[in-house]
Amino acid sequence: SQTIHQWPATLVQPVGSPLSLECTVEGTSNPNLYWYRQAAGRGLQLLFYSVGIGQISSEVPQNLSASRPQDRQFILSSKKLLLSDSGFYLCAWRLSVGSGEAFFGQGTRLTVV
Amino acid sequence: QQPVQSPQAVILREGEDAVINCSSSKALYSVHWYRQKHGEAPVFLMILLKGGEQKGHDKISASFNEKKQQSSLYLTASQLSYSGTYFCGTEYGMDSSYKLIFGSGTRLLVRP
Repeated sequence: SQTIHQWPATLVQPVGSPLSLECTVEGTSNPNLYWYRQAAGRGLQLLFYSVGIGQISSEVPQNLSASRPQDRQFILSSKKLLLSDSGFYLCAWRLSVGSGEAFFGQGTRLTVV
Repeated sequence: QQPVQSPQAVILREGEDAVINCSSSKALYSVHWYRQKHGEAPVFLMILLKGGEQKGHDKISASFNEKKQQSSLYLTASQLSYSGTYFCGTEYGMDSSYKLIFGSGTRLLVRP
């Protein structure tokens, strides 16, 4: 069966520090991968999505970046965090064919102080 | 491109019904519905593809009106466990089928 792992679960970082969040999927090949951010009490904002290794599409210009170094690994990064980067970050995967459901990781709650 | 959800919040008594709407200004290819409990990841409820189909999941069902580019989620005889935030997610066509864009969510609270 397929599983998605996302870590860490919580993170407190000072303003200006770097960020690296990792997401890995098991049990499937060539998944479509997504990073979403959810501000407190708000909706799910699509940040990045990827349909293959090294293929990243950005939805919102900001100081975040994403990379997909391996088929089932998706990394969200920042060189210098801003206060506005605080939020709940969710990784998700979908099958690469058809309009299937999205499976979400358990999320990372990031607080920038 | 973000779909518009309404209402923003709903408070129900256990056993009452509710309807949550999701509309788009662009032609939709599919609509997804998810429910999120506080502090948890969203959980999939159902997908509707263009064609005006209606689906059901226990006492939760949904419809997709292709002409109006609108989907509605129907919660019948609500239970306490239905509380949470409901999101619709939309795809706009096979050429952009990799993107799944979510609305701002509808908060549902079911009280005893």
